[in-house]
Amino acid sequence: DGGITQSPKYLFRKEGQNVTLSCEQNLNHDAMYWYRQDPGQGLRLIYYSQIVNDFQKGDIAEGYSVSREKKESFPLTVTSAQKNPTAFYLCASSIRDEQYFGPGTRLTVT
Amino acid sequence: QKEVEQNSGPLSVPEGAIASLNCTYSDRGSQSFFWYRQYSGKSPELIMFIYSNGDKEDGRFTAQLNKASQYVSLLIRDSQPSDSATYLCAVHAGGTSYGKLTFGQGTILTVHP
Repeated sequence: DGGITQSPKYLFRKEGQNVTLSCEQNLNHDAMYWYRQDPGQGLRLIYYSQIVNDFQKGDIAEGYSVSREKKESFPLTVTSAQKNPTAFYLCASSIRDEQYFGPGTRLTVT
Repeated sequence: QKEVEQNSGPLSVPEGAIASLNCTYSDRGSQSFFWYRQYSGKSPELIMFIYSNGDKEDGRFTAQLNKASQYVSLLIRDSQPSDSATYLCAVHAGGTSYGKLTFGQGTILTVHP
């Protein structure tokens, strides 16, 4: 069953803690992306990666970090430096320009 | 700042009618255009993409692209209550912006029985 998985579905953390969101794909896509979505808003790009061991900042990278050690995996760390981390986080992968999304992780920081 | 604009709605149509969703974009060099459907609490699902001027049909969905006027639209024929969702327009600039999409804020569509 091909697809993109994100875990966990819901995540709760205290302010000041770093947290890592998982994203795995078995679609053999080269490119992977992280977005955040706030209520009533569109998607904003955090980081993207075109190939293994390479990634670029998106529009709102401050307070986030990523790694791409394997083609299948693109984890996102939300650091304590991110001022408003509570949001819906979406991972995507693409073939050509067509991006396909995982189910998302809803992060709540209190 | 490259922008993608959508009317946030909500757009309300009766069951069986045609729903028309519109999107304009600012980057004249944009090359490819996408429509995603997002149900409440779920992730976006790709439903249509279009690269060339004109119409592209897939079942009840038709995407229309007019690059000269910088707009792309999505028509949903015979609308069903299950089509009620937020529809996101996304645009790819092409060139060196590999894979990067710019999203509009989305239009909320409600189809009432």
